[in-house]
Amino acid sequence: DAKTTQPPSMDCAEGRAANLPCNHSTISGNEYVYWYRQIHSQGPQYIIHGLKNNETNEMASLIITEDRKSSTLILPHATLRDTAVYYCIVRVNFGNEKLTFGTGTRLTIIP
Amino acid sequence: DTGVSQDPRHKITKRGQNVTFRCDPISEHNRLYWYRQTLGQGPEFLTYFQNEAQLEKSRLLSDRFSAERPKGSFSTLEIQRTEQGDSAMYLCASSLVEYREGANTQYFGPGTRLTVL
Repeated sequence: DAKTTQPPSMDCAEGRAANLPCNHSTISGNEYVYWYRQIHSQGPQYIIHGLKNNETNEMASLIITEDRKSSTLILPHATLRDTAVYYCIVRVNFGNEKLTFGTGTRLTIIP
Repeated sequence: DTGVSQDPRHKITKRGQNVTFRCDPISEHNRLYWYRQTLGQGPEFLTYFQNEAQLEKSRLLSDRFSAERPKGSFSTLEIQRTEQGDSAMYLCASSLVEYREGANTQYFGPGTRLTVL
């Protein structure tokens, strides 16, 4: 699987949009971008994924650049409960489907 | 609540003892994964099953580790002769493999935290 690069930490004010970047410059054409988050001492929680189109669900939006070399996860109105480590992962959808986690971005929401 | 459950949530054991963890996946999911997470690191893949067949094992899974999924439903992970280096969070995830775009998302359980004294 391609590797990803994320900033180690970010802060965001409560109520503002949190924009978490991810670089995946070596992504292959059949690899999806997945985002998970992990709140302290809990299992990772799936957030969203996409291939090349922007995606939105009840939790977040995912913006993927046209060349697919980077993406941004957007939490539109951050709350204190969004404080977590956010992982950006690229993987194929069929075949070798294990997730390869990096160290992620530790997002802290400031009251 | 993702629907994946793990038991126990916490386990403290002495070095040299054997431990077994259980994972119950989301009911219709045919794939089950085990990961291990040490402090400050992201989860690392250990092994996965398609129904009852174990399809891949990481080199992290030493001979002291064994995983089973006997009837294609729940799975167990056993560690024999535990060592202090086995202290970690053991995570289970499941997915439904469907050969269509956008499928095969893995959903994780809450994990079992193992402490080896």
